[in-house]
Amino acid sequence: DQQVKQNSPSLSVQEGRISILNCDYTNSMFDYFLWYKKYPAEGPTFLISISSIKDKNEDGRFTVFLNKSAKHLSLHIVPSPPGDSEVYFCAASERGKLIFGQGTELSVKP
Amino acid sequence: NAGVTQTPKFRILKIGQSMTLQCTQDMNHNYMYWYRQDPGMGLKLIYYSVGAGITDKGEVPNGYNVSRSTTEDFPLRLELAAPSQTSVYFCASSYSRDRRNSPLHFGNGTRLTVT
Repeated sequence: DQQVKQNSPSLSVQEGRISILNCDYTNSMFDYFLWYKKYPAEGPTFLISISSIKDKNEDGRFTVFLNKSAKHLSLHIVPSPPGDSEVYFCAASERGKLIFGQGTELSVKP
Repeated sequence: NAGVTQTPKFRILKIGQSMTLQCTQDMNHNYMYWYRQDPGMGLKLIYYSVGAGITDKGEVPNGYNVSRSTTEDFPLRLELAAPSQTSVYFCASSYSRDRRNSPLHFGNGTRLTVT
């Protein structure tokens, strides 16, 4: 029973273009959503988060959108340098416990 | 500033052996967590702790045990290693469970192979 799903295992974008990573969830009790980036041989690093009472949060190059009626969130990264090529995880929080999606591997091509 | 430190980085176990994965944090965080990540999968919560002396099961606790005798340390114990426990294990900590201002800080992981 996958409560948080990232249906695209991989995504390829051109350098300088916008990257859009998607995430769907099933549990309406989630109160907070987060995005993490993972480098090889390291633990995930926190990027940006959004409360369930908001629909948008922006921090530098990262913007997260939340559509509660569709139980969908997305991460927009603008622009995308080659250094952004890594695995991105979305996660949802229910009373502090984080449930993670499967991850999307972003590849930024020059 | 060490953050969350996990040891060892790598380990190979034979079926039926036992071992303890160590995790320590120096941020005075109350909350600590153990996750495992299998290939192509997200992180699954094994156990978590909300403070010294208090632990609780996550999504996949079978085959594991934990203890939390101090705020800093949260070891994960495998008593009878099985091939299904081959995975990368991540320890994490947070100041509180309020995700508005307390995201998880992760260690660099322990890669465990059981053969």
